[in-house]
Amino acid sequence: AQSVTQLGSHVSVSEGALVLLRCNYSSSVPPYLFWYVQYPNQGLQLLLKYTTGATLVKGINGFEAEFKKSETSFHLTKPSAHMSDAAEYFCAANNAGNMLTFGGGTRLMVKP
Amino acid sequence: EAQVTQNPRYLITVTGKKLTVTCSQNMNHEYMSWYRQDPGLGLRQIYYSMNVEVTDKGDVPEGYKVSRKEKRNFPLILESPSPNQTSLYFCASSLSGTRETQYFGPGTRLLVL
Repeated sequence: AQSVTQLGSHVSVSEGALVLLRCNYSSSVPPYLFWYVQYPNQGLQLLLKYTTGATLVKGINGFEAEFKKSETSFHLTKPSAHMSDAAEYFCAANNAGNMLTFGGGTRLMVKP
Repeated sequence: EAQVTQNPRYLITVTGKKLTVTCSQNMNHEYMSWYRQDPGLGLRQIYYSMNVEVTDKGDVPEGYKVSRKEKRNFPLILESPSPNQTSLYFCASSLSGTRETQYFGPGTRLLVL
């Protein structure tokens, strides 16, 4: 079964610093990969997704992620953190089936 | 406005008292699903539906039931709630499956005493 691991349940960065949130998946078959963001007291919304093709994927709000098959990773980055980026971030993966597997989530805190 | 709605948003109940959480989408999506969110565990899929009258179990279906009689609605039923079902529940929908963007509802926070 597919599993998704997010390293670091909490990440703290200073405003303006690089944001790096880590995600690894377990499948030997490259899945479809997603990053979702959850702001306080809200549902999740899509940041970006990888299906096939270009391995560097750009999303909303200046985020991007790179699919690395050799490392089974799909880490999320943003060059310069903003206070409004404080939220919980979830990586998710889908293979050929009809289910979506989520990682445990990473709470991003941005210090002024 | 395209959206997924859930009701109620907050619910406190007692062990064994049947409850239903409703979910409705206005995007004509075929795929709908329910997740529960628990700290440190992320979201875990409870049930999903590929279309009307087609439902299947997710990773954590025990203690839950669903039905899909209409395309827009996908209620989650807890026949006999227990304290371990205290959680935050999300309904989501997408055009036709999990390879597409999921649109999430605002969540239902359930406390079972």
